[in-house]
This record gives sequence, structure tokens and C-alpha cells, in this order.
Amino acid sequence: AQTVTQSQPEMSVQEAETVTLSCTYDTSENNYYLFWYKQPPSRQMILVIRQEAYKQQNATENRFSVNFQKAAKSFSLKISDSQLGDTAMYFCAFMKLGGTSYGKLTFGQGTILTVHP
Amino acid sequence: EAQVTQNPRYLITVTGKKLTVTCSQNMNHEYMSWYRQDPGLGLRQIYYSMNVEVTDKGDVPEGYKVSRKEKRNFPLILESPSPNQTSLYFCASTIDRGRGSPLHFGNGTRLTVT
Repeated sequence: AQTVTQSQPEMSVQEAETVTLSCTYDTSENNYYLFWYKQPPSRQMILVIRQEAYKQQNATENRFSVNFQKAAKSFSLKISDSQLGDTAMYFCAFMKLGGTSYGKLTFGQGTILTVHP
Repeated sequence: EAQVTQNPRYLITVTGKKLTVTCSQNMNHEYMSWYRQDPGLGLRQIYYSMNVEVTDKGDVPEGYKVSRKEKRNFPLILESPSPNQTSLYFCASTIDRGRGSPLHFGNGTRLTVT
């Protein structure tokens, strides 16, 4: 079974600054995806970024980038030039590829990020 | 617009009164699932379905039922709700088939059982 741990229950950052959210995971699988989802106060679950485990290059999406360390089983999210609209709960999630339980996301506990003006 | 639609958005009920939360997707996805979100625990999978008439338990299935009679619909049934089922519920779907496609989520149902 997989586990995902987000050790920072809450984080805060000033507008325009950079913040990094931590995520570690435990798995014996070799083929998997990792995701970051954002949940604003509206409760929507919005995909921020995803990373394929077999790709060494870190994924980036505009102001969002990840630092994927496969050997260390670490998957942190960096938000650059933070904006007020980035205020949300952020979830790290793991998805095993293939097998009989494909499509299942295993989530971390979440990190509440507050961006201050 | 491609979407997953859940209803209702909010639901308050009493212990033991059967309820159904509906979920429908218009993306022709084969895979659908239900999650519950609780503080400090993140989201946990309740049930999932890989296709019509194919359903299986997730990590926290006790007290829940599902059915998948049509590809687009995947209702969550609580036959005798209890206060420990007070939670935020999400339906999700994906085309995935084991290739890591992201899940599309509904907007959530906040359930309170008194």
C-alpha cells in the first residue's frame, strides 16, 4: 500500500514571494504518477501539476514547478510570484499505473496555504 | 462543457434516514470513484467502478453502497447514515485505463448527519 505525507498543515507567504510545499511518499512501485491538486474555498479540486515517475525532468506549469526526488521519495511544489488567488488547500497525491487498482489516487493530509497582501 | 456533476451540494439528515448522492459525468469515462474528505486525513477512496456493472471497494467502504447501471451515472447510497459519515464527498472520473490520466472531480457534497 502507498502512503503520502504532507508534514506542513499550514503555510503562509507574502504576495509576489516564493513558497515551497513539501510532500513525501512511500511505495514499492516503480511506475506511478504524482499530482498536486488545489482546493480553494469553493471546494473545487483543481489539478495544478503532475509528474511521471520515470521522467527525470521536473514538471512545470507557469508559476508552479515541482522538485521530484525519486530516490528520496519526495515531491515538493514550488509556487513562484505568489498571488492572492493561490490561497487554498493543496493536496499531494499518488497514482499507481496499471494493475487492477488503476485510477486510484492516494492523498496526503493537505497543506493550507495563505497568501497575504 | 466537460464536467462531473454532483447533487446535492449540501445535505443535512438524521441518523438512519436513507439518502443518495448523485453523480453524473458527460465525458464518456469508464472509471468513476467516490472519495470522502476529512480534516487531517485528506481524501480517501470509498468505492470505484471500472465500467458498467463493475464496482469494487476502496479504502473506506463500510456504510456505503454504489451502483453503476449506466456509464454516466455513479450514485453513492447511504442506507443508514450515522454521524461518523458526516464529511465532504467527491465524485471523480477519468479515462485513465492505467496511464496516469488525472481525475476530474465534481464540486463536492457536504453531508451532515445528526
